[in-house]
Amino acid sequence: SQQGEEDPQALSIQEGENATMNCSYKTSINNLQWYRQNSGRGLVHLILIRSNEREKHSGRLRVTLDTSKKSSSLLITASRAADTASYFCATAPRTQAGTALIFGKGTTLSVSS
Amino acid sequence: KAGVTQTPRYLIKTRGQQVTLSCSPISGHRSVSWYQQTPGQGLQFLFEYFSETQRNKGNFPGRFSGRQFSNSRSEMNVSTLELGDSALYLCASSSGGLLTDTQYFGPGTRLTVL
Repeated sequence: SQQGEEDPQALSIQEGENATMNCSYKTSINNLQWYRQNSGRGLVHLILIRSNEREKHSGRLRVTLDTSKKSSSLLITASRAADTASYFCATAPRTQAGTALIFGKGTTLSVSS
Repeated sequence: KAGVTQTPRYLIKTRGQQVTLSCSPISGHRSVSWYQQTPGQGLQFLFEYFSETQRNKGNFPGRFSGRQFSNSRSEMNVSTLELGDSALYLCASSSGGLLTDTQYFGPGTRLTVL
């Protein structure tokens, strides 16, 4: 079963607008990571936020983490056509031997010019 | 530093055959993990190797196996291929492991089973 679930599944916006994607997860985590994937290629790491952090920024990206609600959000400001991709959150459950990096189904973002 | 490389990039096999995929991690990284990506199941974790030892394993049948060499390069083997094994196989490397560190992904190997 999926640990992380992104919402919405698909998002279409115009260039210049902001895009917000949400991720919910089920168990306690060590960290939560966001990745981008273009057209079935390899994943590109965007941001890693640790369980004791609440917010991180990287360029036009802002990630928040609310461990009490078991949720995270990824905000892309001033979107560009090049931001068109699928975005995944991935969680690393805390402790537990034999665990994994667990991905959600992803949000497909389409930015039109 | 060079990124994670995977070979081959594309592969076509028939049912019942076996296949070996290769992953070369970023220099200095000791952890290599493997993932299967399909439209239906999404990204699923196969296993992680760290310093030549399998440290974590996902919920896949024993037909899926892997190993890691002393130079941290890793191979994944799938025996007795089934149509459902058609997927993009991704490997990722990190310095400390998938529970603590950023994973750097390769471009993937696209496997088609006919």
